Amino acid sequence: EDQVTQSPEALRLQEGESSSLNCSYTVSGLRGLFWYRQDPGKGPEFLFTLYSAGEEKEKERLKATLTKKESFLHITAPKPEDSATYLCAVQAWRAGSARQLTFGSGTQLTVLP
Amino acid sequence: SQTIHQWPATLVQPVGSPLSLECTVEGTSNPNLYWYRQAAGRGLQLLFYSVGIGQISSEVPQNLSASRPQDRQFILSSKKLLLSDSGFYLCAWSSIGELFFGEGSRLTVL
Repeated sequence: EDQVTQSPEALRLQEGESSSLNCSYTVSGLRGLFWYRQDPGKGPEFLFTLYSAGEEKEKERLKATLTKKESFLHITAPKPEDSATYLCAVQAWRAGSARQLTFGSGTQLTVLP
Repeated sequence: SQTIHQWPATLVQPVGSPLSLECTVEGTSNPNLYWYRQAAGRGLQLLFYSVGIGQISSEVPQNLSASRPQDRQFILSSKKLLLSDSGFYLCAWSSIGELFFGEGSRLTVL
């Protein structure tokens, strides 16, 4: 069974204070690892897909990295508008075309001005 | 570009009443469609997915059902709501991997 564990559950940062969110996963054959941002009362917004260990992707102040066991979402010099819940999900190589994702519980990030 | 619409955004229903949440996708053909439920402080739970018209797979036994009457329309239903059906429901579509979500529907069963 695929499992995704995100840590910490909640993180409070001062504006400009860089940090990282962790996503540890167990999956039998990783097809892809996904990061999403979710604002309160909204649907998750897609950020990144990572496919293989060593891969990195960047978007503004966010950079996602991937190893064989975990992924990190690095936030550089965050701003209050980066406050949100960040979700990690994995997709395994399996027969069928549904391409189901297994999600973690998320890290709730608060950036204080 | 592709867009996904989900409605209603909020719904308050009494126990035992029926439910219908609708989702439509624009700008793509033959998408995979999904219904997820999100409980507070927990990850997204996959409820149903569909790879084509009339093809529905259920992930968990429950009081809900899903239908796909058209290629880009996905409906979540219940004949009689339970208190435990309260939650945040999300519709999503995918083509090659990533899921793209709608804005969600907040259901409160009283």
